[in-house]
Parts: sequence; structure tokens; C-alpha cells
Amino acid sequence: DVKVTQSSRYLVKRTGEKVFLECVQDMDHENMFWYRQDPGLGLRLIYFSYDVKMKEKGDIPEGYSVSREKKERFSLILESASTNQTSMYLCASSLFRDSKNIQYFGAGTRLSVL
Amino acid sequence: GNSVTQMEGPVTLSEEAFLTINCTYTATGYPSLFWYVQYPGEGLQLLLKATKADDKGSNKGFEATYRKETTSFHLEKGSVQVSDSAVYFCALTLQGGSEKLVFGKGTKLTVNP
Repeated sequence: DVKVTQSSRYLVKRTGEKVFLECVQDMDHENMFWYRQDPGLGLRLIYFSYDVKMKEKGDIPEGYSVSREKKERFSLILESASTNQTSMYLCASSLFRDSKNIQYFGAGTRLSVL
Repeated sequence: GNSVTQMEGPVTLSEEAFLTINCTYTATGYPSLFWYVQYPGEGLQLLLKATKADDKGSNKGFEATYRKETTSFHLEKGSVQVSDSAVYFCALTLQGGSEKLVFGKGTKLTVNP
């Protein structure tokens, strides 16, 4: 069965901390995505990656960076967390050039920045 | 650009009521259309999809038909259950283009017994 695992369900961090959100998929997918989900705004794409060491900015990359050193792992980094980064973060993966183009999601990490 | 507009929620229904959640889109190319569902405390999962005009996607009693003439992909279910309470997202991706999905803002459905 398809599985996308996010390392934490809940995180509480302080303003200015460096925060790492980890995502691992076991489906050998090339594409991986990071979204944030906020009430009334839906899902917004932060970054995505279509191969190891490759990344592209999404719609709201400011304040975030990513790392993809291995195919199965995609990390989202908040260099200096701020309160406006309090949100639900969702990771997803998909097959490259798949005609179905289905994305598979993790359960999410709810981050609170105090 | 590419965008998805879905009806504002929240939607509250009684069990066995008929459900419609409206979704319209604008796309610069030929889109594939999706409905994703997010149950409480979980990530999103694919509910159904359609890849060409007049295709009907269906799953778990839900249906949606790809209407190119009205650029719509409305979600329907004839008789909802309490277990259908969730947030529903309409989304599109361009065929042959970027791998990215464009999501609507989501519609929260609550079904009361």
C-alpha cells in the first residue's frame, strides 16, 4: 500500500528556531511536494521536487527552503521560524509523468510557532 | 492562469440528504480534474478523477462529470452518511504540463444523524 510518512503530527517551536519537517515515501516516486493548509485559503504549494537534488519554488516559498538528498526523503526547513508560519503542513508524492497524476498525501504536521 | 473555484462552506446536511458541491475551473490548457477528501485528523486522499470531457468519475457513491462547456466538475452524492463528514477539495492539473495540482479552497461538509 502507498505510504507517505511525516515524522511529526504536532510540533511546537519558538520564534527564531530552525525547524525541520521530514517526509518519507516508500513508493519510489520521483515527485514530492510540500503544502501548507490554512483555514479559508486551502492548500498552497511551498516547494516541489521532481528528482534528487532538484527543487522548484511553489506559490509561497518565502521563509522556507527544502532538501532532497535521497529519492524517498523530502525535508522542509524553516530557517528562522515566525508566528505567521503556524500552520498545517502536508507532504505529498507522485510518479513523474504519470498519466493519472495522482498525488498521495501524508497525515500532516501541525506546527505552532510561539 | 489556472484556478479552481468551489462553493464556500461549511455545508451541513442531515443523513440521507442529497449533496452537491460546485466546482468550476479556468485552465490555460487541457486539464485533468480531481476531487480529494480530507477526513478529520488525516491527510488528503483521492476520491475520484476524470481526464477528458464528459468522463464521469465515481467512488464510494460520489460522482462528478467533467463538463467542458461549463468548465465544471460538480461533486454529487445521492444519500450522504455521517461518515462522509470531511473537507472536500476540487483540483486540476494540466495534461502534458507541470506535475503540480491547483486546488480549490475546500468545502467542509458536516452530516448530522
